[in-house]
Amino acid sequence: DAKTTQPPSMDCAEGRAANLPCNHSTISGNEYVYWYRQIHSQGPQYIIHGLKNNETNEMASLIITEDRKSSTLILPHATLRDTAVYYCIVRVAELNSGYALNFGKGTSLLVTP
Amino acid sequence: DVKVTQSSRYLVKRTGEKVFLECVQDMDHENMFWYRQDPGLGLRLIYFSYDVKMKEKGDIPEGYSVSREKKERFSLILESASTNQTSMYLCASSPGQGMGGELFFGEGSRLTVL
Repeated sequence: DAKTTQPPSMDCAEGRAANLPCNHSTISGNEYVYWYRQIHSQGPQYIIHGLKNNETNEMASLIITEDRKSSTLILPHATLRDTAVYYCIVRVAELNSGYALNFGKGTSLLVTP
Repeated sequence: DVKVTQSSRYLVKRTGEKVFLECVQDMDHENMFWYRQDPGLGLRLIYFSYDVKMKEKGDIPEGYSVSREKKERFSLILESASTNQTSMYLCASSPGQGMGGELFFGEGSRLTVL
């Protein structure tokens, strides 16, 4: 799996957009970008994933640069409940069933009132 | 909704005890995983299984074993617990090949070894 680099921490005001960056300059052509988050004292939760195109779901948007060397997770209207550690992971999806995600240290997002 | 249930949220054991951590998923997923999470180290993969009775070592299997006798259940075993195994243990499951690789996690089991 390609390595990822994320800032260790970020702040965001409630109601504003939270933009979480991730660098993955060694990403391969068949590697997907995944985002998970972990709220304190809970297990990680899947947010979104993408390969090349931008993706949006009910939780967030994922913007991947054209060269795929970086991406941004956008929470359009952050709430206090979005305070969590956000993990950016790249991996080859659709592999043998036994392939596992490798989590790094993530970005600790603090949403303030 | 997918549910991954870990048997205990909090456990306290003594050095040398045998410890069983149980995990059950209700979505007929092929793959199941055990991670441990420690401050500053993120999530590290201990073992995973892609089928009943199949297991694969992750990054840190030493001191652990696993059992998968039924598809829905994946157990992590500490044969002789040590203080350096004090940690948060997270179980996860995912659908089989070709399903996008999303992991569903349990709430975690916080183990303290005295």
